[in-house]
Parts: sequence; C-alpha cells; structure tokens
Amino acid sequence: KAGVTQTPRYLIKTRGQQVTLSCSPISGHRSVSWYQQTPGQGLQFLFEYFSETQRNKGNFPGRFSGRQFSNSRSEMNVSTLELGDSALYLCASSLEATGSGANVLTFGAGSRLTVL
Amino acid sequence: AQSVAQPEDQVNVAEGNPLTVKCTYSVSGNPYLFWYVQYPNRGLQFLLKYITGDNLVKGSYGFEAEFNKSQTSFHLKKPSALVSDSALYFCAVTGPSGGYQKVTFGTGTKLQVIP
Repeated sequence: KAGVTQTPRYLIKTRGQQVTLSCSPISGHRSVSWYQQTPGQGLQFLFEYFSETQRNKGNFPGRFSGRQFSNSRSEMNVSTLELGDSALYLCASSLEATGSGANVLTFGAGSRLTVL
Repeated sequence: AQSVAQPEDQVNVAEGNPLTVKCTYSVSGNPYLFWYVQYPNRGLQFLLKYITGDNLVKGSYGFEAEFNKSQTSFHLKKPSALVSDSALYFCAVTGPSGGYQKVTFGTGTKLQVIP
C-alpha cells in the first residue's frame, strides 16, 4: 500500500512569503502529525490532527497553522517566513486506537524548506 | 512534562562490534517507548517499541532494546554492527497530554559504523 506522501519535496522561498505543505496519510490512518526537523533542535512537534480536529499543538508561533480535510489529508501553512523556518518538515500518520499510546508513526520523506 | 534524553550526539563503532545507543526518559504513568531510524534524505522509520511485558524487545534489522524501569532507560542494541546501520536514531516516548497521547522525541544520535 502507498506510504505517506508529502509535497513538495523541496522548495525555496524568501523572507516574508508564505508556504503551504501537503501530506497524504496512509489509507485508513486518521491521525496526522507534523514535525519540524533542524540540525540544532532535532524533531520539534508542531501539531496533530484527528478527524479534522487539532488535538495537540507544540510551542510554535501563530504563523504556523494547519488543517485536516475529511479524507484525512492535511496541510500546514507558514506565513511571513523567517530565515529560521528553514528546516525539514515531516508529516506522520498513524492508525488511531482510542486510549492507546502505542500507535506507530509512519513518516513521509519530508518537505525541505529553504528560506532566503 | 515528559521528556527524552539521548546523551550522545554521535556513536562510532567498528563493523562487527556490538553497538549501544542510549536513551533515558521521563513520563507520568506507564511509558510507551519507541526507536526510529532515519537514513539520509528520508523520513523516520519504525524499528521497535515497548508497551508492556518482556523487558527485552526485538525489532527490525536485528536491533533490540532493553527497558529498564528503575533506571528509566531504553537503550538500543545490536550484537554486530553493519556499515549499513549508519544513520540517525531517535528514541521517543508517548505519554498523556490533554486527554490524548503525545509523542516526544529525543534529539537523535548519529551512528557511524566504521568498516
């Protein structure tokens, strides 16, 4: 079966612009999480969506936002880009089991954003 | 708040030697613990997890991890390292957050297997 698909894989933006990244989860997976990966900070949790509702949010400014559609596909948006937003943005999906913390995350290959 | 510590930024080991990548955690309640691996220009891949039961968990590619509750550790091990094991390894813990489960990752450990 198809894995988690993230588009675009690479993109270059300039400061002040905005960007939208897309994530298509594994078929049947209803939970989608987003992470920012940078060499110095490791993996930082952005937010998680389940059935179109944001369940958890990390410590990022309001410039970072996301949404999930009825087919579980998710998008994240970063407005007013800053140089420090340059990173690999990873999306992960999981098969949600109510009350279980044992879900395995399946990651996409990521979208590498460079802000000039 | 839950946390994960990977004290070593990089681990170097000779091919054929045993390897250990260290991880300690802090979480309220019973922990769910995971190891993921990331190869260059790829997303993370699941290696193994501990939920309950046997403290020694076996996973993909010959890796295993030992859960130690008293030391709050979950070290990743392999008896004989391969050059192809060279990658970035992440430990993660799942714990309660606002009524749901939240995953927290460590900062990652780069494993370099030397031929």
